[in-house]
Amino acid sequence: DGGITQSPKYLFRKEGQNVTLSCEQNLNHDAMYWYRQDPGQGLRLIYYSQIVNDFQKGDIAEGYSVSREKKESFPLTVTSAQKNPTAFYLCASSIDQGVLTGELFFGEGSRLTVL
Amino acid sequence: RKEVEQDPGPFNVPEGATVAFNCTYSNSASQSFFWYRQDCRKEPKLLMSVYSSGNEDGRFTAQLNRASQYISLLIRDSKLSDSATYLCVVRLNDYKLSFGAGTTVTVRA
Repeated sequence: DGGITQSPKYLFRKEGQNVTLSCEQNLNHDAMYWYRQDPGQGLRLIYYSQIVNDFQKGDIAEGYSVSREKKESFPLTVTSAQKNPTAFYLCASSIDQGVLTGELFFGEGSRLTVL
Repeated sequence: RKEVEQDPGPFNVPEGATVAFNCTYSNSASQSFFWYRQDCRKEPKLLMSVYSSGNEDGRFTAQLNRASQYISLLIRDSKLSDSATYLCVVRLNDYKLSFGAGTTVTVRA
């Protein structure tokens, strides 16, 4: 079945460590996104990529990095510079190169806890 | 001011009841509007788009009021399975969606 796969589902990290969250899609979508969700707040955009080998900062990119070397893959690295990394991270894709239809397809999320 | 604001609820309603809630947005240039549904500790999924003339999808009715900058969602004949958090989503431009924090609905037997 087509979809978006995120891994790991749960991750614990010590302060000062970098961690990489995987996101793979087999929907053949051009655009991919990373969001962060915190309790009581709406989803906030970290990075997005409209096409392979290109990505743009979202609203809260500081302390994060991404790459888009393949259409199917958009990994997110949470670096030690991210001051408050504990959150629920959601990867998404869209059928066009933007969000014109408003429909994002989300993965099941990765829950990161910093100890 | 937040771009999208929602009453967090929770709205606790019995099965079969009607429940309705609003969402306000701050940017008058917002281009289109959507409701997403998110079950507890799961990913959001698109529920429906919101059209200027209002639209229905089964038991769900969405309305848009551009003059007052709010959208609404009404659920008729509530089912237990409607229990979820409903996210109001506004498209600001070709590449940005702005998400509300969500309204939680709990339908009890």
